[in-house]
Amino acid sequence: KQEVTQIPAALSVPEGENLVLNCSFTDSAIYNLQWFRQDPGKGLTSLLLIQSSQREQTSGRLNASLDKSSGRSTLYIAASQPGDSATYLCAVEGGGADGLTFGKGTHLIIQP
Amino acid sequence: EPEVTQTPSHQVTQMGQEVILRCVPISNHLYFYWYRQILGQKVEFLVSFYNNEISEKSEIFDDQFSVERPDGSNFTLKIRSTKLEDSAMYFCASSRQGRAETQYFGPGTRLLVL
Repeated sequence: KQEVTQIPAALSVPEGENLVLNCSFTDSAIYNLQWFRQDPGKGLTSLLLIQSSQREQTSGRLNASLDKSSGRSTLYIAASQPGDSATYLCAVEGGGADGLTFGKGTHLIIQP
Repeated sequence: EPEVTQTPSHQVTQMGQEVILRCVPISNHLYFYWYRQILGQKVEFLVSFYNNEISEKSEIFDDQFSVERPDGSNFTLKIRSTKLEDSAMYFCASSRQGRAETQYFGPGTRLLVL
């Protein structure tokens, strides 16, 4: 059964820092990996989708990498801003599971 | 920019009552999904729907749940007889062509069963 783990569970950093969020998954037979942002009490906003054949994707200050064979992905956020404060969720599709399998998320606080 | 919408945003019901959660997926999308998130827990897959039938479903999606696309725009999740443990945020999502495509999520319906 696919399991997704995200480390750290929570992170608080000063504005302007570069940071890395980690995601690992147990079954490497995935179709893709998706990073989402969730604001309190709100829905999920898709940030980046990496296909299983890709190594990384970039969108603005965000860069996500995928190492499928080792079951790992990282989300790199450059020059963090207070508006980046949210919970970041990693989800994989495939690997013996139906639909997307989510991690529990990293709760990120950027201090002004 | 097109987005997935969901109604109602909040629903309070008594245990044993039926509820219907509504979603309007993005108009040119073909695959539709329901997920739920119990407070403090992970988002969990419930069901996927394509071409007017269920494509995949999880163990959570038992006989108390059903989905329907009653017209060309709406996608509904019905819980036949709600239980306390059905209290959760329910998210609808859609994607253009299914696997390996981005899933776009709606804002969710917060369901509270008393």
